[in-house]
Parts: sequence; C-alpha cells; structure tokens
Amino acid sequence: DTAVSQTPKYLVTQMGNDKSIKCEQNLGHDTMYWYKQDSKKFLKIMFSYNNKELIINETVPNRFSPKSPDKAHLNLHINSLELGDSAVYFCASSPGLLNSPLHFGNGTRLTVT
Amino acid sequence: DQQVKQNSPSLSVQEGRISILNCDYTNSMFDYFLWYKKYPAEGPTFLISISSIKDKNEDGRFTVFLNKSAKHLSLHIVPSQPGDSAVYFCAASAETGANNLFFGTGTRLTVIP
Repeated sequence: DTAVSQTPKYLVTQMGNDKSIKCEQNLGHDTMYWYKQDSKKFLKIMFSYNNKELIINETVPNRFSPKSPDKAHLNLHINSLELGDSAVYFCASSPGLLNSPLHFGNGTRLTVT
Repeated sequence: DQQVKQNSPSLSVQEGRISILNCDYTNSMFDYFLWYKKYPAEGPTFLISISSIKDKNEDGRFTVFLNKSAKHLSLHIVPSQPGDSAVYFCAASAETGANNLFFGTGTRLTVIP
C-alpha cells in the first residue's frame, strides 16, 4: 500500500500533445506538491496545494496546471508539450505543517519526442 | 540561482567506515534542513532533519550537523553499510508558510563491501 502513488511511471509522447499525470496519497496529508527533476538531477518545486490554495512557482509555464479533485489527489496537466518538458516529475505530500518532511512518490519519467 | 549546493557528486567509502556528506546553503532565511535518500527509479525518502535551533540531530547510524554561521550542514553515517549506497539529497526550507523544499543536486554514495 504505497503512501504516495503516481501514474504512469513512464510517459512517452510527441511535441504538441496534451498529457496528464495522476497522483494520490493515502496519508491523510493536507498539502500536496509537484516537483520536477531535470537532466542535471536538480529537484525543483513546481506547485504546492493546500486547502484549495495553490502556490505556483513563477518560473513554471502556464502550460502546466495542477488539478485537485479532493484532498487526496493532485493531478498535473500539461498542454502543448515541448522537448524541454522531458524530465522526471515527482508528486509529494506533507501534513501541511511547517517543518514537516515531504513524502514523495516514485516519479513519472516524461519523454517528449 | 541554486540556494542549496552539494559540491561532491560522488563519494566512495569502505563498509564499516564513516560516510560524511556535505551541503552548503546561501539563504540565511532557511531554518529547517533535511536529508533524503534516493534509490534508482524511486522517489526520495526522508532520512533525517534538523531545525535551526539545534546544531546536531541523531537517529541511529545517522547524524546531521548544522553550522549556521558557515551555512553548512553535513550527514554522518556510522558505520556505513552496502545498503546505504544511494543518492543523498540535502534540502532546506524557510518559514514562508509554503513548506517548499529547496534541494541540492545530490551526492552518490557507494559503500564498498
């Protein structure tokens, strides 16, 4: 019973397509996140979402949009995919309290051709 | 602008010896620091944390040291075991209310049996 699960694990698609990555957590956490790990292995925050409050990293293109149907889910939608979007995307969750560790999913490797 | 840096991309240590992984940060507002461990094809797993009011935190074989004046923290693993072989990420956050973590680029630890 995985605490933070994301699907699919691998996603290969062509430029210009629209795709989604799903994330679910069964930890009862209040806050969920999306992180991107680029080719240089640098993990960077994209979004955090807590009680319908979305905090966006200003460097994230508006082609990326998180959608939260409920507290346990935060899906990532990407429109008009570009080659530079190729990366590993990690979903995470935390209790929402300050100074609490994040729990990560196993990542989705997105390859845009 | 990378606010958390791990300048050693890799480290090899003999089984039973001490592993010391280092991390430097630039943002003086950071007040919570974490170490994550990552195996291939998995998400980062929380290992140990320390808040800025402490200079040392210990959990079994793992100890984290924080030197605020030098903006430096380190992770000590004693004794090192082959199962500790993984990529270790240092992370930090500031009390902004968002609990967003800033990650270093990781150090690959190899423990040689």
